[in-house]
Amino acid sequence: AQTVTQSQPEMSVQEAETVTLSCTYDTSESDYYLFWYKQPPSRQMILVIRQEAYKQQNATENRFSVNFQKAAKSFSLKISDSQLGDAAMYFCAYRSAPGNTPLVFGKGTRLSVIA
Amino acid sequence: DAGVTQSPTHLIKTRGQQVTLRCSPKSGHDTVSWYQQALGQGPQFIFQYYEEEERQRGNFPDRFSGHQFPNYSSELNVNALLLGDSALYLCASSLLTLYQETQYFGPGTRLLVL
Repeated sequence: AQTVTQSQPEMSVQEAETVTLSCTYDTSESDYYLFWYKQPPSRQMILVIRQEAYKQQNATENRFSVNFQKAAKSFSLKISDSQLGDAAMYFCAYRSAPGNTPLVFGKGTRLSVIA
Repeated sequence: DAGVTQSPTHLIKTRGQQVTLRCSPKSGHDTVSWYQQALGQGPQFIFQYYEEEERQRGNFPDRFSGHQFPNYSSELNVNALLLGDSALYLCASSLLTLYQETQYFGPGTRLLVL
């Protein structure tokens, strides 16, 4: 079974600074997808960024980018120019491919942004 | 374009009771997955419905059951509630394709069992 580990229960960052959230996963599969979801206090799980394992290029979405190291099974999220609205729980998630397989989540990292 | 909606937002039940939670998927989506998120934990997969049938199931007892309607909306039923069933229940919708499709989540239903 696949597992996802987020080793940082809490992180903090100064507004406008950069922060990196860590995620490692365990799988024997070669084809899969990785995600970062954000869950603010409103509880809505919002997709931040996704990465296809077969792509070598790291995904980017505006201020959010990932460092995907397939051999090391590592998938970190970098948030640049942090904003107060970035404060939330961040979950790393894994999904097998192909098909509509369920997501396997880590336990999350709580990110605080300091003004 | 309406996103995923869930009802109710909050619910309080007592042990032994039964509860039904509802989910309407994002427009154009045909697959609904349910997750349970205990306090301080990541979501855990309960089951997934497609074409009105349960297609995949996580490690949850038979007290957890579901249904999908022809309009793709879905219900999650939990019988004989236990204190440990207190959690945020999340519904996610997606479109079944051969390749990966992103799951979009609803705002969740907070269930408290007393």
